[in-house]
Amino acid sequence: DARVTQTPRHKVTEMGQEVTMRCQPILGHNTVFWYRQTMMQGLELLAYFRNRAPLDDSGMPKDRFSAEMPDATLATLKIQPSEPRDSAVYFCASGLGYGGQASAFFGQGTRLTVV
Amino acid sequence: DAKTTQPPSMDCAEGRAANLPCNHSTISGNEYVYWYRQIHSQGPQYIIHGLKNNETNEMASLIITEDRKSSTLILPHATLRDTAVYYCIVRLRIETGGGADGLTFGKGTHLIIQP
Repeated sequence: DARVTQTPRHKVTEMGQEVTMRCQPILGHNTVFWYRQTMMQGLELLAYFRNRAPLDDSGMPKDRFSAEMPDATLATLKIQPSEPRDSAVYFCASGLGYGGQASAFFGQGTRLTVV
Repeated sequence: DAKTTQPPSMDCAEGRAANLPCNHSTISGNEYVYWYRQIHSQGPQYIIHGLKNNETNEMASLIITEDRKSSTLILPHATLRDTAVYYCIVRLRIETGGGADGLTFGKGTHLIIQP
């Protein structure tokens, strides 16, 4: 059963620490998305990659956030230094599209708490 | 900005059909209508999408009006497990093949299935 896998599922860290979240997209998918969800803002698109190249990261705070895809089976989202306002659930999704018929499949998320 | 309008909440009796409306009056000819749902504490789940014809799959049916300015998601026999937030999203059609644009989520409709 193909699925997007995110690790860790939960992370509690102190303000100022570095946080790395990992995502394993569905094998064969060529697009990876990172979303953040909070009660106030809902689901926000942070960044996404196509064929491992960054396509759009305009939703991501550039000073502390970075997203990479070191290979086709791994995407990472890093926050350095972390702040309490970064507390949220971070979702990774992967997709494959041909001719406009493109769906994105989401992982279970990483719940980040910065204290 | 989300390009869709949905009621914030709806109730439906278990076993009955749940009809979730969505207005997308500014939709353009090269945009699809997508539906996702998010069950509490899980990642969003793809349900169905369409361009101008009605669509049906094992989860739901999607009815798009002839002018494409609105649509209705139908869950034919709602169960308690269908209680979730349902998101209606318009999304650009990708013609170049491969990849997908990011999904912009609004507030959605919180559907509550009553026993």
